[in-house]
Amino acid sequence: QKEVEQDPGPLSVPEGAIVSLNCTYSNSAFQYFMWYRQYSRKGPELLMYTYSSGNKEDGRFTAQVDKSSKYISLFIRDSQPSDSATYLCAMSGTDSWGKLQFGAGTQVVVTP
Amino acid sequence: DAGVIQSPRHEVTEMGQEVTLRCKPISGHDYLFWYRQTMMRGLELLIYFNNNVPIDDSGMPEDRFSAKMPNASFSTLKIQPSEPRDSAVYFCASSSGVPYNEQFFGPGTRLTVL
Repeated sequence: QKEVEQDPGPLSVPEGAIVSLNCTYSNSAFQYFMWYRQYSRKGPELLMYTYSSGNKEDGRFTAQVDKSSKYISLFIRDSQPSDSATYLCAMSGTDSWGKLQFGAGTQVVVTP
Repeated sequence: DAGVIQSPRHEVTEMGQEVTLRCKPISGHDYLFWYRQTMMRGLELLIYFNNNVPIDDSGMPEDRFSAKMPNASFSTLKIQPSEPRDSAVYFCASSSGVPYNEQFFGPGTRLTVL
C-alpha cells in the first residue's frame, strides 16, 4: 500500500464551480503538507503549504489538513479553464524532511 | 532568476547506451533533488543533496543509476547502461530549505530508451 493515496481522476467541472481534491495518508509522522500544480509537459509548482493541522487560504485556494483522519484537502473556488492541470499532494515528516512523498496526482479539467 | 535549468529537454537513445542528464539549480539553493515521473509510478524521489553531499539515495533504482554534484551549481544523473524501463520524465528540483522545503522544479528531461 502506498503511503499517500490520491484519486487520479480525471475530474471534470464547469467553469465557476468549486473543485474539491483530497489525499489520504498512512504515516502519522507526516507534518508538512503541500499541494503542487503541474501543467502538461511542465514541472510541478508549489500552490499551498501547511504545517501540521489546520486551514490555510490563499485567494481562490483553500488547503485543509485533518491529521486525526490522515486526510488533506484542496478547494479551488470559482474555477477557471486556466486551473486545468494535474494537482499533486505531497508530504513529509520532521525526520524525513527532504523526502517528499507525492500522491499520484488528480487531473482536473475545467470546461468553459 | 532563470529557475532550475535542465538539459537536454528530450533524449532518445538505444538500450545499452549511457545517458547523462544535467541540472543547474537556482543560485543560493542548498538542496538539490532528482525525481523520476511515470504514469505507472507517479513522481518518485531518486536522490537528494545538501550542500553538494548526497543525503538520501534510497530511491535510486539500481546500480545503473548514479548522481553527482561536483559544485553548488551543477549536478548530473547518469544511467549506464540504459534500459527501456528507464523511459520517463526526469525532474531536477532545488530548495533553499527555509522557511520550509519549497522545491522549485525544472522543466524536466523526457527520456526515451528504445
